[in-house]
Amino acid sequence: GQQVMQIPQYQHVQEGEDFTTYCNSSTTLSNIQWYKQRPGGHPVFLIQLVKSGEVKKQKRLTFQFGEAKKNSSLHITATQTTDVGTYFCAGPKNSGYSTLTFGKGTMLLVSP
Amino acid sequence: EADIYQTPRYLVIGTGKKITLECSQTMGHDKMYWYQQDPGMELHLIHYSYGVNSTEKGDLSSESTVSRIRTEHFPLTLESARPSHTSQYLCASSAWGTDTQYFGPGTRLTVL
Repeated sequence: GQQVMQIPQYQHVQEGEDFTTYCNSSTTLSNIQWYKQRPGGHPVFLIQLVKSGEVKKQKRLTFQFGEAKKNSSLHITATQTTDVGTYFCAGPKNSGYSTLTFGKGTMLLVSP
Repeated sequence: EADIYQTPRYLVIGTGKKITLECSQTMGHDKMYWYQQDPGMELHLIHYSYGVNSTEKGDLSSESTVSRIRTEHFPLTLESARPSHTSQYLCASSAWGTDTQYFGPGTRLTVL
């Protein structure tokens, strides 16, 4: 079945450093979504990418969708302590509007 | 933030008890989901529904059951709770025609 893999599993950075998490799917995706879960909280939708090669920015966050629509990345420039949390990527399990397959997440810890 | 609610937020019960975790959304979303998540770990889909009177089992085998009698309500029931059921249970919903999911705050269940 479809698998969505994320690396790294965990990263600890100093405040001000950059951070990147990578997401790879075993199948071509119609779209990819990113969610953030703060410690003790619930996942919150960040963004959806649909087009091959698409790049979207949200302030210090840059999201990319690969040309083959099988991989994606989230890059945070100059991390802040408010960026702490686990970042999940997710893709539709099959074509059409179905359930999502979530990656295992990348836990980001930022030290002041 | 989306309007999706879960009660109770925290629950500590003894082994063998029957419990129902409540989930309600006011967005009129047709699709609803239940996930099980241990702290800092991946999300496991245990049940989902595409609308009233529709329920499906998810990827992770679960001893729980669900019902969908009203669009806005998707309760999850454990007939006989066991310590292995200790976890966080997250409810989510999405609108027809999209697969972006909006999560509730979760119920943290501890079975003694």
